[in-house]
Amino acid sequence: GNSVTQMEGPVTLSEEAFLTINCTYTATGYPSLFWYVQYPGEGLQLLLKATKADDKGSNKGFEATYRKETTSFHLEKGSVQVSDSAVYFCALRNTGANSKLTFGKGITLSVRP
Amino acid sequence: GAVVSQHPSRVICKSGTSVKIECRSLDFQATTMFWYRQFPKQSLMLMATSNEGSKATYEQGVEKDKFLINHASLTLSTLTVTSAHPEDSSFYICSANAPTDTQYFGPGTRLTVL
Repeated sequence: GNSVTQMEGPVTLSEEAFLTINCTYTATGYPSLFWYVQYPGEGLQLLLKATKADDKGSNKGFEATYRKETTSFHLEKGSVQVSDSAVYFCALRNTGANSKLTFGKGITLSVRP
Repeated sequence: GAVVSQHPSRVICKSGTSVKIECRSLDFQATTMFWYRQFPKQSLMLMATSNEGSKATYEQGVEKDKFLINHASLTLSTLTVTSAHPEDSSFYICSANAPTDTQYFGPGTRLTVL
């Protein structure tokens, strides 16, 4: 079955530091890959996505590249801000209408001023 | 981007009562919506898939008689927690599939059962 593995957290960084959050997956076929962000007390927001191998999703300075050969979708940002403090979830979904999302456990990022 | 709303955002109820949570897609039609439950500092647990005009599909271990789901229109799904107990206290989140094949999430509903 499908599964998503995220690196263990939490992660604490200073403002303007470089961020990498690792995500690897196991899936049948050719899934779409997603990063969602959850701010305290809120629901999830789609941060970025990639639907096929070598695609790069990007948004708000974050980016992730769909690497089929390593089954990875690592999230990166060159310079984090305090406002980036949140929980980040990696997820995948098989193609096909209305397929379910499979989530990783999520990782909490705290950015210090 | 697409917007999904939930109502109420917070609800406190007494043990034994029922609570209804609404999930609406505001600017697109969704034949499929999903209901999740999230425990503190944990990932989302899919409870059920809500299909417009047909019965919901529940995940293993989720009691369908306790968590009633109705998807009456292409923009509205409801989750009713029947005879709520303190262990049902949680953060409930819905999502809806947009025609772009991206899932958009509601802001969540915090349920507290006393």
